[in-house]
Amino acid sequence: DTGVSQNPRHKITKRGQNVTFRCDPISEHNRLYWYRQTLGQGPEFLTYFQNEAQLEKSRLLSDRFSAERPKGSFSTLEIQRTEQGDSAMYLCASSLGAASWYEQYFGPGTRLTVT
Amino acid sequence: SQQGEEDPQALSIQEGENATMNCSYKTSINNLQWYRQNSGRGLVHLILIRSNEREKHSGRLRVTLDTSKKSSSLLITASRAADTASYFCATQADLQGGKLIFGQGTELSVKP
Repeated sequence: DTGVSQNPRHKITKRGQNVTFRCDPISEHNRLYWYRQTLGQGPEFLTYFQNEAQLEKSRLLSDRFSAERPKGSFSTLEIQRTEQGDSAMYLCASSLGAASWYEQYFGPGTRLTVT
Repeated sequence: SQQGEEDPQALSIQEGENATMNCSYKTSINNLQWYRQNSGRGLVHLILIRSNEREKHSGRLRVTLDTSKKSSSLLITASRAADTASYFCATQADLQGGKLIFGQGTELSVKP
């Protein structure tokens, strides 16, 4: 399968713990996006990378959140000191290029539950 | 924050009927896209319409775009129980880095 993959698919953690999610984009896709989706809402943009450079971060991304794409391939999203409000589906998407005619392909998401 | 609104928030129809969902947005765009999401699953891309297009078809899907009103509609004809899902519109603009800005979605239920 050459689609976008995300791991883990589900994560249950206790409040205050740190969690890290991984996204593997489609090979050769240089754009990678992270979105967050809470129950009953549409996805909301968090951040995106052009190769290894993080070009934009949403104000939703508090200081407890950090994302990396060290070699311009896979990306990780870390949440420190998790809070119950962090419970959501975290979606990753990749695209071949920056322009709007490039489709974004979504992974299956990582569902985070903070207890 | 969401770009705009979708209506209705929920729609329940019988199999074979048509389903129409509407989406409004706020800023200039390069394209508007529609996605489907089955409960708790990932997003599936349905169709993309560019800002210079007014109507587009794909199978049982028909999308219209009115940039003067900043609105779009998605029509699903001859609906099937398998169409039951949440449907989201998303706008994209090169000036915004290509990120997708989603609406809040319409939850469609098609009863057999």
